[in-house]
Amino acid sequence: GESVGLHLPTLSVQEGDNSIINCAYSNSASDYFIWYKQESGKGPQFIIDIRSNMDKRQGQRVTVLLNKTVKHLSLQIAATQPGDSAVYFCAEYTGRRALTFGSGTRLQVQP
Amino acid sequence: SAVISQKPSRDICQRGTSLTIQCQVDSQVTMMFWYRQQPGQSLTLIATANQGSEATYESGFVIDKFPISRPNLTFSTLTVSNMSPEDSSIYLCSVDIGGGQYFGPGTRLTVL
Repeated sequence: GESVGLHLPTLSVQEGDNSIINCAYSNSASDYFIWYKQESGKGPQFIIDIRSNMDKRQGQRVTVLLNKTVKHLSLQIAATQPGDSAVYFCAEYTGRRALTFGSGTRLQVQP
Repeated sequence: SAVISQKPSRDICQRGTSLTIQCQVDSQVTMMFWYRQQPGQSLTLIATANQGSEATYESGFVIDKFPISRPNLTFSTLTVSNMSPEDSSIYLCSVDIGGGQYFGPGTRLTVL
């Protein structure tokens, strides 16, 4: 099927390494953030979220860090696996319960 | 989360025609959204569709081009009218559940 994110920045990592995907958001009033994973031919899949009153949140193999001072969000994936290869988007809530998406990063995991 | 389905999954259409995309959710939700994802791009919100009220469109999107229906709490349709090749995109519906937003699989539209 047609690939998503053909022209997006790419992060290439070795299987088993940790991955860090970064995102700068625009609205200092945003109070809720979500990371999505999108595989080719599929809709975005909810990975992890974080509210603005937190700096860090951990899930299974994933950690999201929020730095409100510089409006920066990062997604850390531990022990990256080939199945993690996808395009990753950060998204912020604008206050009307609708999301504003970042431009996305393609993660390529080399076996 | 929720199970969200879309029909059709993909279509190839001729210029000047219209296509209606359906979105079905397996639970009742108040807020539904329609997004567009152009080739190689991120997602852009088209409109918010709440049951019992008119859809709210984002800047650059108008009701005549993208009419939306929301007849009940589990279903919505988006029509792409008078299509041109520039409308070739993936169209996605999403729902707000518990503060998180979950997406359908998308409808891949190609306009010739």
